[in-house]
Amino acid sequence: RKEVEQDPGPFNVPEGATVAFNCTYSNSASQSFFWYRQDCRKEPKLLMSVYSSGNEDGRFTAQLNRASQYISLLIRDSKLSDSATYLCAVKRNTGNQFYFGTGTSLTVIP
Amino acid sequence: NAGVTQTPKFQVLKTGQSMTLQCAQDMNHEYMSWYRQDPGMGLRLIHYSVGAGITDQGEVPNGYNVSRSTTEDFPLRLLSAAPSQTSVYFCASSPFDGGRNEQFFGPGTRLTVL
Repeated sequence: RKEVEQDPGPFNVPEGATVAFNCTYSNSASQSFFWYRQDCRKEPKLLMSVYSSGNEDGRFTAQLNRASQYISLLIRDSKLSDSATYLCAVKRNTGNQFYFGTGTSLTVIP
Repeated sequence: NAGVTQTPKFQVLKTGQSMTLQCAQDMNHEYMSWYRQDPGMGLRLIHYSVGAGITDQGEVPNGYNVSRSTTEDFPLRLLSAAPSQTSVYFCASSPFDGGRNEQFFGPGTRLTVL
């Protein structure tokens, strides 16, 4: 079983829509959780960390459900500039290895 | 700070050729890693290092060597390139703290093996 699994999409949504991505992880020893954004032909860049109590950054909300072992990312009021691939990443509580999902492609349509 | 830098940005090799992909970081991070990214496969870990003189294999190490003689540099060597190694290669670094710190990525090297 893969360490981290994501629905690859693609998600095509109109401007202003709300869209949610989920990511499941298999190892309960996972400690830290992140969402990265990757633009076409660019490197991944951190969008936000995911905290146990959930956290929000503007239009973006990240949630963690340890019992069900998944993290989610909610994007409200989608903008054209949100079009990208969103990667989830987890890190265990030992060592420093990151495990990435395959990414979910989002296209926001005018 | 330049962050994580990688050279070259693009490379075309013939089957059997060898080459080294360079990676450097100026953030004094202990942990460095190499990934390859292929369509539908996501980021797969090739090799990683937790500090100078220490390296270990990741998920897909075959055909690649690494060394870590300094904290700053972590080159990736392709010993005898094969078409299956055509990919985008990312180097990344992070503090080795077992905590919440993110991983920072370099801009990537696009490698084509003919």
